[in-house]
Amino acid sequence: GESVGLHLPTLSVQEGDNSIINCAYSNSASDYFIWYKQESGKGPQFIIDIRSNMDKRQGQRVTVLLNKTVKHLSLQIAATQPGDSAVYFCAETWRDDKIIFGKGTRLHILP
Amino acid sequence: DAGVIQSPRHEVTEMGQEVTLRCKPISGHDYLFWYRQTMMRGLELLIYFNNNVPIDDSGMPEDRFSAKMPNASFSTLKIQPSEPRDSAVYFCASSRTSGEETQYFGPGTRLLVL
Repeated sequence: GESVGLHLPTLSVQEGDNSIINCAYSNSASDYFIWYKQESGKGPQFIIDIRSNMDKRQGQRVTVLLNKTVKHLSLQIAATQPGDSAVYFCAETWRDDKIIFGKGTRLHILP
Repeated sequence: DAGVIQSPRHEVTEMGQEVTLRCKPISGHDYLFWYRQTMMRGLELLIYFNNNVPIDDSGMPEDRFSAKMPNASFSTLKIQPSEPRDSAVYFCASSRTSGEETQYFGPGTRLLVL
């Protein structure tokens, strides 16, 4: 986790507020999308996924939105907590091919 | 399940030395992936295996890098000779399928080549 640092966009959010992390994906043919969370010193961890035949999917405190028209993916985290501090990666894949990861966004929680 | 296991967790070596990173995937997972993560390039896929067979090694930087998977429960990534620009965190991940399936990542090996 800590090896992705200086060149990452950072989102700072007040604890308790909602966070929205955005991602622009590259391949219009991609049909499966995943959000990963990476805490400092750990490997990426699956959060939520969505297939291209959906535009919204909800999990526990997280929602992923997919806009295929503009190739945009977003992750919404409700009531952000200190434990949500991490780097968040979107990833895409097409027809069971290898997963391509985005560059990541660092989420910083303000007390 | 113990998850994906990687060793060592940290490795410091001198330029020119051989480095071997090890990975034990989750039992029952047919796919194994090696990634490299750096500040400049983010998370890069190096190579992945299906049923112990290398499927795509297009991400391997150059001939100094090689990876093997002699059986379903073990894989190695070797760098020989190592160079300072190889310094990075190397992750191993496994999954039941390749694309449309959650990949489970190991804790990573932090490599520093002096």
